Amino acid sequence: AQKVTQAQTEISVVEKEDVTLDCVYETRDTTYYLFWYKQPPSGELVFLIRRNSFDEQNEISGRYSWNFQKSTSSFNFTITASQVVDSAVYFCALSLTQGGSEKLVFGKGTKLTVNP
Amino acid sequence: DTEVTQTPKHLVMGMTNKKSLKCEQHMGHRAMYWYKQKAKKPPELMFVYSYEKLSINESVPSRFSPECPNSSLLNLHLHALQPEDSALYLCASSQGTSGIPDPDTQYFGPGTRLTVL
Repeated sequence: AQKVTQAQTEISVVEKEDVTLDCVYETRDTTYYLFWYKQPPSGELVFLIRRNSFDEQNEISGRYSWNFQKSTSSFNFTITASQVVDSAVYFCALSLTQGGSEKLVFGKGTKLTVNP
Repeated sequence: DTEVTQTPKHLVMGMTNKKSLKCEQHMGHRAMYWYKQKAKKPPELMFVYSYEKLSINESVPSRFSPECPNSSLLNLHLHALQPEDSALYLCASSQGTSGIPDPDTQYFGPGTRLTVL
């Protein structure tokens, strides 16, 4: 099966706390790509990061960081010093090839609430 | 610029109506997508167009009819919908020029919130 599991349905933190969102994936492909998207209450899915299976370096972008570990099939996302504006649903996704085109398979999402 | 626009933002329609959703991008992308998202669920792929040709149809009922008149535009024609079709409809686009398995990043529009009465 090719799927993405986000076991945390909802997380609530207080502003300035660090928070980690978990993502575990299953794929039979040796080359694959993983993505994180943010969906604020307005509804638009905002692209955050894309990572291929050959690149296991962790990535940091401001307060955001990602930890990719092939050994555990995980691609976790950490927000440092969370802010109220980080409140959103976060989706982890796996890219699959079908019919010569690409499709994203999303996890169920984690709803993050950052309280002031 | 990674902007995908969708109109209308909200749509209320009866089960006998015919309406259309519109999506537009001016990034030169050659792949465009329709997703359906029910409340508290992840987006589910409906259709993919690649170079203006339908390449993926995820067994979507015929009451949803996609159309790609040119590389910048994607429409979704709606007819005889059911109340359970009420959802957020998201459009996305990607370059569509990368090889497989090097997928492009998909950029999403703000969506159309559809209510079927």
